[in-house]
Amino acid sequence: ILNVEQSPQSLHVQEGDSTNFTCSFPSSNFYALHWYRWETAKSPEALFVMTLNGDEKKKGRISATLNTKEGYSYLYIKGSQPEDSATYLCAPLYSSASKIIFGSGTRLSIRP
Amino acid sequence: DAGITQSPRHKVTETGTPVTLRCHQTENHRYMYWYRQDPGHGLRLIHYSYGVKDTDKGEVSDGYSVSRSKTEDFLLTLESATSSQTSVYFCAISETRDPKTQYFGPGTRLLVL
Repeated sequence: ILNVEQSPQSLHVQEGDSTNFTCSFPSSNFYALHWYRWETAKSPEALFVMTLNGDEKKKGRISATLNTKEGYSYLYIKGSQPEDSATYLCAPLYSSASKIIFGSGTRLSIRP
Repeated sequence: DAGITQSPRHKVTETGTPVTLRCHQTENHRYMYWYRQDPGHGLRLIHYSYGVKDTDKGEVSDGYSVSRSKTEDFLLTLESATSSQTSVYFCAISETRDPKTQYFGPGTRLLVL
């Protein structure tokens, strides 16, 4: 079973502050990395998918980077807002497997 | 939003009874998945399907079986429910294998007493 680690497990941030968190994954046979945003009592929603080393994706105030050689991705949120409160999941896909493995997530809470 | 529904949305059952959860999609996507969500574990894959009558096990498949007789429906069965199967179950679909963005259903909350 592949080990996908996300850190920190939980994070409390003041509204307006910027923050970031990490997803670490085995780099061997890596194919793509997904980030999902999961609000409480809702379903996970896709944020980004990245495939190439050095990829950077942006969606509004949220951006992500990818390092496939060392096996990590960062998710950044600029100027956090209360609506950013959610659990953020990363999920790498490998060329040798036919399914995605989800990390356990970083739970982000924004204090007004 | 992708057209994915799950039924029932909530269910309470007793230990030892069979339970079937249904996932229905209107997107004609090839891949379908069943996950369970538990505190401290995030999403864990139970079973998935890569086509009609083509299924495979995930990381927590013990105690569960699945069937896919039509593209649009993926059924998850707990043959004899146990309290450890109390969880929230999510169905997901994806169109292609690569890079395989998944779209999730609303979830089914199952309580086994």
